Amino acid sequence: DGGITQSPKYLFRKEGQNVTLSCEQNLNHDAMYWYRQDPGQGLRLIYYSQIVNDFQKGDIAEGYSVSREKKESFPLTVTSAQKNPTAFYLCASSPWSSYNSPLHFGNGTRLTVT
Amino acid sequence: QQQVKQSPQSLIVQKGGIPIINCAYENTAFDYFPWYQQFPGKGPALLIAIRPDVSEKKEGRFTISFNKSAKQFSLHIMDSQPGDSATYFCAARWSGGGADGLTFGKGTHLIIQP
Repeated sequence: DGGITQSPKYLFRKEGQNVTLSCEQNLNHDAMYWYRQDPGQGLRLIYYSQIVNDFQKGDIAEGYSVSREKKESFPLTVTSAQKNPTAFYLCASSPWSSYNSPLHFGNGTRLTVT
Repeated sequence: QQQVKQSPQSLIVQKGGIPIINCAYENTAFDYFPWYQQFPGKGPALLIAIRPDVSEKKEGRFTISFNKSAKQFSLHIMDSQPGDSATYFCAARWSGGGADGLTFGKGTHLIIQP
């Protein structure tokens, strides 16, 4: 079945450590996204990528970095510069062909930093 | 500035009742309005979407009502069931917005009591 795989489902890190969240899709979608979800805050866009080797900052990119070396993969690194990294992180993709193409989300990674 | 305002933040309805979730937007350039449904521990999934040239759209028990002049749209769930208990997000997008053009409301946590 086609879809988006995020791993791991739960991740625990000590403060000051960088951590990388994995996102892989086999939907052949051009665009990929990272969102952060906090209780009562909705979904906030961190980074997005329309094509390989290109990505753009979203609304809350500070303290995060991404890469897009392959169409299928869009890993997110939460750096030690992110002041409040504990959150639920969602990866999504969409076919770039149409603005009203739906976003397909993975099942998220819950990151806890102590 | 929040471009899509969603209310209520939480809602409890008895089985068979009709929960109504409301969203209001400010940007008149928005031209695509999807609703996403999210179950605990999962990523959001597209539920139903509407464009501003239509005042109402039904898919099964879910209906979107759209009021372009008031810049408001709402989700109604007919004959609600406990399995509809989830968090619902409205969103808006404009065709010129590119890959980052989807703006989400903050979500409504809906509980359908048996």
